[in-house]
Amino acid sequence: GENVEQHPSTLSVQEGDSAVIKCTYSDSASNYFPWYKQELGKRPQLIIDIRSNVGEKKDQRIAVTLNKTAKHFSLHITETQPEDSAVYFCAARLSGGYNKLIFGAGTRLAVHP
Amino acid sequence: GAVVSQHPSRVICKSGTSVKIECRSLDFQATTMFWYRQFPKQSLMLMATSNEGSKATYEQGVEKDKFLINHASLTLSTLTVTSAHPEDSSFYICSARVRGLRGGTGELFFGEGSRLTVL
Repeated sequence: GENVEQHPSTLSVQEGDSAVIKCTYSDSASNYFPWYKQELGKRPQLIIDIRSNVGEKKDQRIAVTLNKTAKHFSLHITETQPEDSAVYFCAARLSGGYNKLIFGAGTRLAVHP
Repeated sequence: GAVVSQHPSRVICKSGTSVKIECRSLDFQATTMFWYRQFPKQSLMLMATSNEGSKATYEQGVEKDKFLINHASLTLSTLTVTSAHPEDSSFYICSARVRGLRGGTGELFFGEGSRLTVL
């Protein structure tokens, strides 16, 4: 079936550094790619998303890039802060049917003061 | 953003009993809701797609007789874990997609999740 691969599984950075998380997807017809942040025991929260007709999108310290040819998209967090520590999930919306959202395995980001 | 409410947030039950989890869209109508399952330190695994007024669509490997889904109205979907066993212990999260909001991005909004512990 269709899947989304996410790397790395864990990421540790110093406060102020940048963090990059990468995902690849298999469904070439996917057209919507959100990123979610999940704190321990809480619901996933959308932090940024990108559609397939755009190559890059930025929202303050967060940016996402998309390479449709390579079926690859990445999350970039600059000037990381301790409160950025959480698990981040990428996702891809499958084409057809009910436009299901398939998630990557998640990246546990730790930002150290 | 749109609000999705899930209840209960935590439930502990004995093995063999059934547990019902409710998922409500509070300020919008959701013709489609999605049920996910999340084991500790793992990703969200799609279990089924809940469709208002029709049968749910289950993902491969998910037992439809074990996980009963009912989407009786445009604002409520329920997941019933029947004859629960310890291996069913997990975090169950529902989500709903809002059509037309934010220019029709189809953004998913998640409920708070329900942590099920089967003794």
